[in-house]
Amino acid sequence: QVHLQQTGAGRLKSSETLSLTCSISGGSFNNFHGSWVRQAPGKGLEWIGEITHNGTINYTPSLKSRVTISVDASKSQFSLRVTSVTVADTAMYYCARGAGLWGQGTQVTVSP
Amino acid sequence: SYELTQSPSVSVSPGQTARITCSGDALPLKYVYWYQQKSGQAPLLVIYEDTERPPGIPERFSGSSSGTVATLTISGAQLDDEGDYYCYSMDSSGNESVFGPGTKVTVL
Repeated sequence: QVHLQQTGAGRLKSSETLSLTCSISGGSFNNFHGSWVRQAPGKGLEWIGEITHNGTINYTPSLKSRVTISVDASKSQFSLRVTSVTVADTAMYYCARGAGLWGQGTQVTVSP
Repeated sequence: SYELTQSPSVSVSPGQTARITCSGDALPLKYVYWYQQKSGQAPLLVIYEDTERPPGIPERFSGSSSGTVATLTISGAQLDDEGDYYCYSMDSSGNESVFGPGTKVTVL
């Protein structure tokens, strides 16, 4: 059974870089499509970006200048980096494979 | 940037039908996905590609799409169906995906 495991720091200070990794086990990494989604406290889901089956990477316009999504197929992992974080980046961050398989979520809290 | 719109809330009595709509200009061209989210949990996919139901999702959940409006229908709603429901789709270029603002479903 395919499983997504998220790792990465949950507490940051303003201006630091957020780094999260999503490790995929139990399944093939071929034709991989992965996404990152976040949810601020009490708010809705926000799509951050994706890496598509053909390797194309897309980002939401509002975060594009600060976000990098990358993949390491040899490790069956994909990662998220967000630079220059602020308190507004405080949220639960999720990775997802395809549409239906989600990681457990990582609570990221940014302090001033 | 692309946006989807949803009504903020829907209330339904147990056993009745709840309908949640999602509007977007690109919906005639792009699939819609529906997620259920309960407090403190990760989202759960309940409908994909407009009308398809993943394994394990009860038959009372169904989806449809016509023009710029997609609809998630819960037929015979149960107390366990309470939660927030989000639609998800992409813009006409396929480069930007977005979630709707969510609809809070109350069964009482």
